[in-house]
Amino acid sequence: DTGVSQNPRHKITKRGQNVTFRCDPISEHNRLYWYRQTLGQGPEFLTYFQNEAQLEKSRLLSDRFSAERPKGSFSTLEIQRTEQGDSAMYLCASSLASGPNTEAFFGQGTRLTVV
Amino acid sequence: AQKITQTQPGMFVQEKEAVTLDCTYDTSDQSYGLFWYKQPSSGEMIFLIYQGSYDEQNATEGRYSLNFQKARKSANLVISASQLGDSAMYFCAMRRPSGGYNKLIFGAGTRLAVHP
Repeated sequence: DTGVSQNPRHKITKRGQNVTFRCDPISEHNRLYWYRQTLGQGPEFLTYFQNEAQLEKSRLLSDRFSAERPKGSFSTLEIQRTEQGDSAMYLCASSLASGPNTEAFFGQGTRLTVV
Repeated sequence: AQKITQTQPGMFVQEKEAVTLDCTYDTSDQSYGLFWYKQPSSGEMIFLIYQGSYDEQNATEGRYSLNFQKARKSANLVISASQLGDSAMYFCAMRRPSGGYNKLIFGAGTRLAVHP
């Protein structure tokens, strides 16, 4: 399977714990995106990388969130001191270029539940 | 604010019938792209169809077509000959020049249920 891969698919954590998610994009794609999707809503943009550089971060990405893409390949999204409001689906996407017609390819997401 | 509005939280359709899912958008940009994605219960967002703001003809992809009315800022998705496997969430999304077209702005989605 050469699509976007996300791990884990599901994560249940206690409030206050740290969690880390991983995204493996399509190998030749230089752009990688993170989105958050809460129940009943569409995905909301969090951040994106061009190669290893993080070029934009949404105001939704509080100080407790950090994303990396150290070698321009896979990416990690870490949430520190999780809160119940962090419960959501975290989607990763990748693309080859950037333009009005750019198709982003999405992974199946990581569903986070904070208890 | 630049945004996408999907006014139908849920839609029902009989198998083999056609269905239209509504989408309106708000932007002052001249160049933008409009997308429809399907999200089954597995969670993955599946690209269905794209329409560029300068495209004069409505986009079509198999059973999917996009009814693009630029003056009304609407981009409705038409699914013909509905199948049971079409039951899913459907999201309309837009790319804008701000930030180099790198963000997709999504609507809240419409849940489609196809009945046999």
